[in-house]
Amino acid sequence: ETVLTQSPGTLSVSPGERATLSCRASQTISNGYLAWYQQKSGQPPRLLIYGASSRATGIPDRFSGSGSETDFTLTISRLEPEDFAVYYCQQYGTSPFTFGPGTKVDIK
Amino acid sequence: QVHLVQSGAEVKKPGASVKVSCRASGYIFNTYTIHWVRQAPGQRLEWMGWIHPGSGNTRYSENFQDRVTITSDTSASTVYMDLTSLRSEDTAVYYCAREYRFLPAFGPWGQGSLVTVSS
Repeated sequence: ETVLTQSPGTLSVSPGERATLSCRASQTISNGYLAWYQQKSGQPPRLLIYGASSRATGIPDRFSGSGSETDFTLTISRLEPEDFAVYYCQQYGTSPFTFGPGTKVDIK
Repeated sequence: QVHLVQSGAEVKKPGASVKVSCRASGYIFNTYTIHWVRQAPGQRLEWMGWIHPGSGNTRYSENFQDRVTITSDTSASTVYMDLTSLRSEDTAVYYCAREYRFLPAFGPWGQGSLVTVSS
């Protein structure tokens, strides 16, 4: 099973600032099959990024993903008030599909 | 617009079973795989398995291999997740989610169904 770790656990950022979130895999994720999700309290996750760097439909371009093999990054270029949430990475290159523990982005 | 609507909250006793439904709309139901993911309090999201309604093929996480069954009713555009031998650790919000562009990234998701296991 591919284990994902995310850092930091919590990121305190001011609105308008840049946020950089990290996801590391215990083994190479085949085909770059890495996704990022945003989850707000009481809501289901929302797909932001798939294939490591492709934005899902309707996702603003301030969200970008990068990385390959075992190291991946989600960048939010300028934080908007609605971006304060928990972010999860997920690998779907190998079954069982696994998620990271999440990074909480809160207001500084 | 693609929509997944799940059944309501359930309270079950240890040892019982629960069946959660997920009704899909806004696309051709038989075309896309539906996955089930759960989120226990304070835990990370956990993938449980999938079904392709068109073929009926399924695959389950080994963590649930003997306890979970996923089925579909194409006439009702609905997928079901059945979890047996419930224990307190199964208390969680259960989500269905459709694969995105024929790959197992998940979007959209259902609203979630809270299952509470308590004596």
